[in-house]
Amino acid sequence: KQEVTQIPAALSVPEGENLVLNCSFTDSAIYNLQWFRQDPGKGLTSLLLIQSSQREQTSGRLNASLDKSSGRSTLYIAASQPGDSATYLCAVNYGGSQGNLIFGKGTKLSVKP
Amino acid sequence: EAGVAQSPRYKIIEKRQSVAFWCNPISGHATLYWYQQILGQGPKLLIQFQNNGVVDDSQLPKDRFSAERLKGVDSTLKIQPAKLEDSAVYLCASSPSGSLGGELFFGEGSRLTVL
Repeated sequence: KQEVTQIPAALSVPEGENLVLNCSFTDSAIYNLQWFRQDPGKGLTSLLLIQSSQREQTSGRLNASLDKSSGRSTLYIAASQPGDSATYLCAVNYGGSQGNLIFGKGTKLSVKP
Repeated sequence: EAGVAQSPRYKIIEKRQSVAFWCNPISGHATLYWYQQILGQGPKLLIQFQNNGVVDDSQLPKDRFSAERLKGVDSTLKIQPAKLEDSAVYLCASSPSGSLGGELFFGEGSRLTVL
């Protein structure tokens, strides 16, 4: 069974810290992997999309890495800010169709001023 | 550019009643998706449309759920009759095409509570 696991489920850090969110997947034959952000009561915002042939993607203070062989991805957030507080979801696409993403349960991040 | 619009934002119904949700995707986006997100879980794809045709509805509980996208633009998702376990947020998303590797844009969702 294809599963996506995110650890930790919740994380609280002081403002300014660098932090890492983890995502693991059971089947390494992925097509791509995406990281999303979800604010309370809102939809999902795509942060970074990594194709299976890529090792990492960067956008501003965010860096996502992908290691297919070990079934892992990490989302690194540099110099965290209170505005980064949200739930971060990892989703894996195995190529069936673009929308058939398998999501983890998310990591709820709280950045304290 | 306007985002994905969904309505209603909130709906409370009794079990066995029916409910319908509406989605208007980003203009020009050919592909539309409906997801179900139960509290504390990641979203699960219910159905994917490419223009007005169904691409993937393998996880749609067809005995009670139906969806249509008649003119290839707006879409409605209907639940009839609703069960307690249907309580969730129903998210609509769209993308310019259904090709793999494209970015999905999500609406804010419709939160359903079934009593």
